Amino acid sequence: DSGVTQTPKHLITATGQRVTLRCSPRSGDLSVYWYQQSLDQGLQFLIQYYNGEERAKGNILERFSAQQFPDLHSELNLSSLELGDSALYFCASSRGGASGDYEQYFGPGTRLTVT
Amino acid sequence: GQNIDQPTEMTATEGAIVQINCTYQTSGFNGLFWYQQHAGEAPTFLSYNVLDGLEEKGRFSSFLSRSKGYSYLLLKELQMKDSASYLCAVRVYSGGGADGLTFGKGTHLIIQP
Repeated sequence: DSGVTQTPKHLITATGQRVTLRCSPRSGDLSVYWYQQSLDQGLQFLIQYYNGEERAKGNILERFSAQQFPDLHSELNLSSLELGDSALYFCASSRGGASGDYEQYFGPGTRLTVT
Repeated sequence: GQNIDQPTEMTATEGAIVQINCTYQTSGFNGLFWYQQHAGEAPTFLSYNVLDGLEEKGRFSSFLSRSKGYSYLLLKELQMKDSASYLCAVRVYSGGGADGLTFGKGTHLIIQP
């Protein structure tokens, strides 16, 4: 158990819909990262938040957005869903900042199926 | 951009040693991670190298050569439970605390009795 929690574990929805994935980082971690893992693309970095602010963007589509709240939990919003968005979505957290501790701990993931 | 290459699949025998190679081309390099991932599960941290050389941790060792853009993960005394995907990931630091990981596509390791 990494200490990172994600809900829901599974999500099935239809094309065109909007969903929200939730992540709670390990206690004391200020950085939260979102990753998408599909069979053909591997694990892809989407976006990073640090202490409530966006820090880095990867291959995140404009239909996707995220935020980190004052209690440090984060949400990833996926809208106008397409079949190709079906994937495992992982959240990871790390101490971040000047801690020198860069290891990222991954949550169990949310499996999204778009039908 | 970043480019990370590792073999797609490897097979090894229980009790033996296997080396999984990773080569990378990136700007802003600030460390290399190895993660283990069993199918459908979360990646779990194995090692982190930021300086050249070998880091040893039990049955697992990881090596880094920054000048060659090369790393390897060495697994000794292989056990059946080591059958998994091994992901090489580069940490790219671009200032202001921005440090997402770029992952290779992973090496699927099959352990045979």
